[in-house]
Amino acid sequence: EAQVTQNPRYLITVTGKKLTVTCSQNMNHEYMSWYRQDPGLGLRQIYYSMNVEVTDKGDVPEGYKVSRKEKRNFPLILESPSPNQTSLYFCASSLSRSSNQPQHFGDGTRLSIL
Amino acid sequence: AQSVSQHNHHVILSEAASLELGCNYSYGGTVNLFWYVQYPGQHLQLLLKYFSGDPLVKGIKGFEAEFIKSKFSFNLRKPSVQWSDTAEYFCAVNLIKAAGNKLTFGGGTRVLVKP
Repeated sequence: EAQVTQNPRYLITVTGKKLTVTCSQNMNHEYMSWYRQDPGLGLRQIYYSMNVEVTDKGDVPEGYKVSRKEKRNFPLILESPSPNQTSLYFCASSLSRSSNQPQHFGDGTRLSIL
Repeated sequence: AQSVSQHNHHVILSEAASLELGCNYSYGGTVNLFWYVQYPGQHLQLLLKYFSGDPLVKGIKGFEAEFIKSKFSFNLRKPSVQWSDTAEYFCAVNLIKAAGNKLTFGGGTRVLVKP
């Protein structure tokens, strides 16, 4: 089954403790992206990757890092999480960087930073 | 910078009522337009998309949307809603010539359909 898989689904942690949210897709998609969803703000793009070893900042990249060493994986790293990063995070992928390619979303990861 | 506005944050209606959700975007260039739906506790799913051609597009589950270029709008409609349409709906815009496949989302509209 074609899917985007995120782990963990839920995480409660404390300020400053490094964490990684994994994202994996099995559709051989080139383009992957991370969004955060906050009430009333919709989804905002954090980082994106157009292919292996090619990543770039989205609209709200501060406090986050990503890597794309393999085509299927696109982990999101919070080196020193802070309470303002408490949010619902979605990973998405699409076949290519072309703007007419619909994005496929993972089930989301709810992070609470205390 | 481009932005997407959804006029209603919350909509409550009864089954069989008609639904229309407004969406306006601020960018003057060529865009691709999407509506996504998020059912409670689930990920976003594509409802419909507009790239070119007929400005009235039909999507899944009886939804349709009309692109009006002069009004920078892409409103979503359904003639008769069901309880199962309770969800949050997001309008999204994608610039044709942007770097990468970047979606800009509206703030979302929570729709509650009462049985």
